[in-house]
Amino acid sequence: AQSVTQLGSHVSVSEGALVLLRCNYSSSVPPYLFWYVQYPNQGLQLLLKYTSAATLVKGINGFEAEFKKSETSFHLTKPSAHMSDAAEYFCAVSEPGNTGKLIFGQGTTLQVKP
Amino acid sequence: EPEVTQTPSHQVTQMGQEVILRCVPISNHLYFYWYRQILGQKVEFLVSFYNNEISEKSEIFDDQFSVERPDGSNFTLKIRSTKLEDSAMYFCASSEALGAAGNTIYFGEGSWLTVV
Repeated sequence: AQSVTQLGSHVSVSEGALVLLRCNYSSSVPPYLFWYVQYPNQGLQLLLKYTSAATLVKGINGFEAEFKKSETSFHLTKPSAHMSDAAEYFCAVSEPGNTGKLIFGQGTTLQVKP
Repeated sequence: EPEVTQTPSHQVTQMGQEVILRCVPISNHLYFYWYRQILGQKVEFLVSFYNNEISEKSEIFDDQFSVERPDGSNFTLKIRSTKLEDSAMYFCASSEALGAAGNTIYFGEGSWLTVV
């Protein structure tokens, strides 16, 4: 069965510092991987997705993630944090094929300090 | 940008009561989903819906849950007899085609259900 683990339920960085949010997955088949962001009082918004093309995926708002099969990881990074990045971030996995079923991690709350 | 809208944003209901959560998916989307997140837990898939029938459902989606597309725009989740453990944020989502791989699944802002 597929699963996703996000290491760290809360991450705090200073404005301008590197953001690193960790995600490890478990899947018996090559997965599709996603990062969603939820800003306060808003819905889940897709940041980026990996669907077996390039292993380094660029998303919106300067975020990117790298798929590493050997480490079963899909960590999310941003070189320089902005105050507006404060939100909850969810990593998710989906099986290839015709399914709309996403398996989510528990989420990581990102705090950005001035 | 088109968006998925959900009503109500927050509902408090007594245990045993029926609740209907409403969603308006993006207009040209054909696939609809409900997910939920119990406080402090993961976002969980409940059900997917296409062509007026359920495509897939999780083990959570038991007989007390039902979904319906009563008209051309709304997509509803009904909980027949609510339990305390149904308290959660319920997310509606939609996509143009089935599958998360090549298609973006768009989520609404969620409906927070509190059962007392």
